Amino acid sequence: ETGVTQTPRHLVMGMTNKKSLKCEQHLGHNAMYWYKQSAKKPLELMFVYNFKEQTENNSVPSRFSPECPNSSHLFLHLHTLQPEDSALYLCASSRRSGSGGNEQFFGPGTRLTVL
Amino acid sequence: KNQVEQSPQSLIILEGKNCTLQCNYTVSPFSNLRWYKQDTGRGPVSLTIMTFSENTKSNGRYTATLDADTKQSSLHITASQLSDSASYICVVSEIAGGGNKLTFGTGTQLKVEL
Repeated sequence: ETGVTQTPRHLVMGMTNKKSLKCEQHLGHNAMYWYKQSAKKPLELMFVYNFKEQTENNSVPSRFSPECPNSSHLFLHLHTLQPEDSALYLCASSRRSGSGGNEQFFGPGTRLTVL
Repeated sequence: KNQVEQSPQSLIILEGKNCTLQCNYTVSPFSNLRWYKQDTGRGPVSLTIMTFSENTKSNGRYTATLDADTKQSSLHITASQLSDSASYICVVSEIAGGGNKLTFGTGTQLKVEL
């Protein structure tokens, strides 16, 4: 285990549903990340939080809404998603962002299917 | 645009054999390069990290090389095992204003068979 947990592991939702993904890290890190991993495409960075503050949003559609109540927890709220949003959503944490030497530790991901 | 290209896309080898995975990048200015292993249904786990001055780094049966002049890296797996079946992702860190930025490759899918 990497010390980063994600729930649920699998999620199937309709386009009109509202759901949330949860991530928790037990490593004492200060930075947390959301990534999208689609088949045969590189990981796409979605959001970065440093000390609970959002420091990066890579032009992610507003139907994805992140929330970081503290340095250990990260949520991704989903509403009115599209079928092309189906992917593996990975959460990661590191000591702090913006430093390439800091290893990012990944959770197991949530496999999302939008019908 | 910074890119990281990996080859081959997929590879099947017999247990006990060696293999080498390639990573070419155009990222500049370069900070470091990591190889991650991603098992099916799990998140990526870091295998090695290499900075500009390092040519070779080993982690058990995994040996990574880096040629910063030609912007190429390789990951060599020795005496492969069934548990090596996974996706191997090359990630290059770029020195950017305010910190480092990561560029991910699409990965090489390795399958080790009996």
